[in-house]
Amino acid sequence: DTEVTQTPKHLVMGMTNKKSLKCEQHMGHRAMYWYKQKAKKPPELMFVYSYEKLSINESVPSRFSPECPNSSLLNLHLHALQPEDSALYLCASSALKSAEAYEQYFGPGTRLTVT
Amino acid sequence: RKEVEQDPGPFNVPEGATVAFNCTYSNSASQSFFWYRQDCRKEPKLLMSVYSSGNEDGRFTAQLNRASQYISLLIRDSKLSDSATYLCVVKVRTGTYKYIFGTGTRLKVLA
Repeated sequence: DTEVTQTPKHLVMGMTNKKSLKCEQHMGHRAMYWYKQKAKKPPELMFVYSYEKLSINESVPSRFSPECPNSSLLNLHLHALQPEDSALYLCASSALKSAEAYEQYFGPGTRLTVT
Repeated sequence: RKEVEQDPGPFNVPEGATVAFNCTYSNSASQSFFWYRQDCRKEPKLLMSVYSSGNEDGRFTAQLNRASQYISLLIRDSKLSDSATYLCVVKVRTGTYKYIFGTGTRLKVLA
């Protein structure tokens, strides 16, 4: 089973709202990722968690706050977003063996619209 | 210069044609290489990893040339269902690691 699930599928939020995106995988992967993708562009890395610790933050604004409560779950907390943050948010996971990472598997994404 | 470069296309080819996509990378710390396909408004799906000796999976063949820092994907006997964007992905290890995506190449297979 190479499934990564994400909820919700779609989210519309106002600029003053607080919401969270959720991602789950049961493949035993110890690396998890958040990407942002705008139309006709490739995914852009936002955050990487390795063994539940944040290992990369690609200078993402603090209105995006990641959290990895356990090895299967990854959250992205959203607060005071801007309309330009509207995008497809993709979660991915990959195996980690001896700190070597393997191919990534992506969830279906959350399509976020900020009004 | 982008770290991973692809011809954005679109490549419009008839059914049954053979089509090749190229990808060049610039980071010498690149360790692993992958091709993903992405359908419109869907997530990227792993098509194949690319190994140094080259590898084949049915109608798809991937090649890697580390000396020239170049990866290719060949699709034989194109099907309508192959229409998608093909993303070249390079894993780079510099202390930690991350995956760098090319801009993608759009393929449209025409009936």
